[in-house]
Amino acid sequence: LAKTTQPISMDSYEGQEVNITCSHNNIATNDYITWYQQFPSQGPRFIIQGYKTKVTNEVASLFIPADRKSSTLSLPRVSLSDTAVYYCLVGGNQAGTALIFGKGTTLSVSS
Amino acid sequence: DGGITQSPKYLFRKEGQNVTLSCEQNLNHDAMYWYRQDPGQGLRLIYYSQIVNDFQKGDIAEGYSVSREKKESFPLTVTSAQKNPTAFYLCASSIGDRGRLGYGYTFGSGTRLTVV
Repeated sequence: LAKTTQPISMDSYEGQEVNITCSHNNIATNDYITWYQQFPSQGPRFIIQGYKTKVTNEVASLFIPADRKSSTLSLPRVSLSDTAVYYCLVGGNQAGTALIFGKGTTLSVSS
Repeated sequence: DGGITQSPKYLFRKEGQNVTLSCEQNLNHDAMYWYRQDPGQGLRLIYYSQIVNDFQKGDIAEGYSVSREKKESFPLTVTSAQKNPTAFYLCASSIGDRGRLGYGYTFGSGTRLTVV
C-alpha cells in the first residue's frame, strides 16, 4: 500500500467548505484512493473512492490531479456533525486485503 | 438489514484474565479483520482472515488469538499475555473475492475494553 501524508488536524466553521489534501507520491498505476470517516467511539465508514479526475457523491467530492500524487477531499458547507477523523487510503485492486490506517485528519467544526 | 455486530460495547477485565470479544456479520463477506485503536491514534491491525479456517497475523498480534470456524464469526481473545490491553477494538468485514481496496468494507461499532 502506498504511503500517505495528510494534516493532523483542521478547524472550520459551520457553513464553510473544507478541503483535506492527502499526498501519495508513490501511488501505483492500479491504486485507488479511498477516504473514510470516523466519529468518536464508532467504526470508520466509507465516504468516497476515486481513480482520477473528480468523483462526487451525496457526501463529498474527491479531486485527483492528472499526476495522481495527491488528492483532495472536499466537504461542502460543513456542519457540527461533520466533526470527525478523516482517513486517506491508497491501494490497488486487492479485495480482501486488510486496510492500513494512519492517524488521519481530525476535523473540528465550530459554530 | 445486513451488518456487523460487536459485543459487548463495553467490557471490563481484571489483570491476568483472558477475555473474548465477539464479532458477527450477516453480509456474506469472506474476509474479516480485527483492529485496535488507542486514543488519538489510527487503527492498527491485529489479525485478519480471508477465508474460513484460515487467518494471518497483523502488525500487533502478540497477546491476541482468533478463530474462524464459521464464515459469519471471527471472535478475538485478548489473553493475559497482552501487556496493555485497554483500548477500543474494531471488527470489520469485506468482500473477499472482488472489489477495489477500501470499497465495500464494513466496520462494527466497536468494543471498549478496560483492564481494572
